[in-house]
Amino acid sequence: SAVISQKPSRDICQRGTSLTIQCQVDSQVTMMFWYRQQPGQSLTLIATANQGSEATYESGFVIDKFPISRPNLTFSTLTVSNMSPEDSSIYLCSVVEGVEQYFGPGTRLTVT
Amino acid sequence: AQSVAQPEDQVNVAEGNPLTVKCTYSVSGNPYLFWYVQYPNRGLQFLLKYITGDNLVKGSYGFEAEFNKSQTSFHLKKPSALVSDSALYFCAVRDGSNYQLIWGAGTKLIIKP
Repeated sequence: SAVISQKPSRDICQRGTSLTIQCQVDSQVTMMFWYRQQPGQSLTLIATANQGSEATYESGFVIDKFPISRPNLTFSTLTVSNMSPEDSSIYLCSVVEGVEQYFGPGTRLTVT
Repeated sequence: AQSVAQPEDQVNVAEGNPLTVKCTYSVSGNPYLFWYVQYPNRGLQFLLKYITGDNLVKGSYGFEAEFNKSQTSFHLKKPSALVSDSALYFCAVRDGSNYQLIWGAGTKLIIKP
């Protein structure tokens, strides 16, 4: 299975600032997803990031707030822009390998 | 519309007893069904999946799940629970034509010694 790492693992940020989360995969994958998860709750899909195309955002998420880069088949970044306390959450990247989906360890973001 | 229901927010089981975590689904095409586990402060780990074939699928850590097409269910089971099984469990589904998963709300499993 794919091994996924994320940086940073956690951060505490001030409102109004931006944070870029990196996701690195140990193999080349076409499909990558970014999720948000409140602690103890289910996952909410932010966007699908396929290499070579623009990211596709889910309802309620926009590119200006959550810009995504996917420069190659092993790497992606998600930026949380102009943060507010409501953005405090766990952010997870995920890749599809075969029919299964694998997840990174997550980035725990706290906005003060 | 596609959906997944995990009717129990929390399941409490004594160590050594069998456990069941329930999941029902609604999907338009042939369902691809998955169970994931999340330990405290950890990422999501894949447990098992059903795509086709035998209705009883076996996965990691001694877990298994039974696909029941008529009841549109995919309950997670383990014959003998361990305290270390305590975690948050998620059921997810997609149809064969779409890679996007639909997630259940999650069930917190607590195994008491």
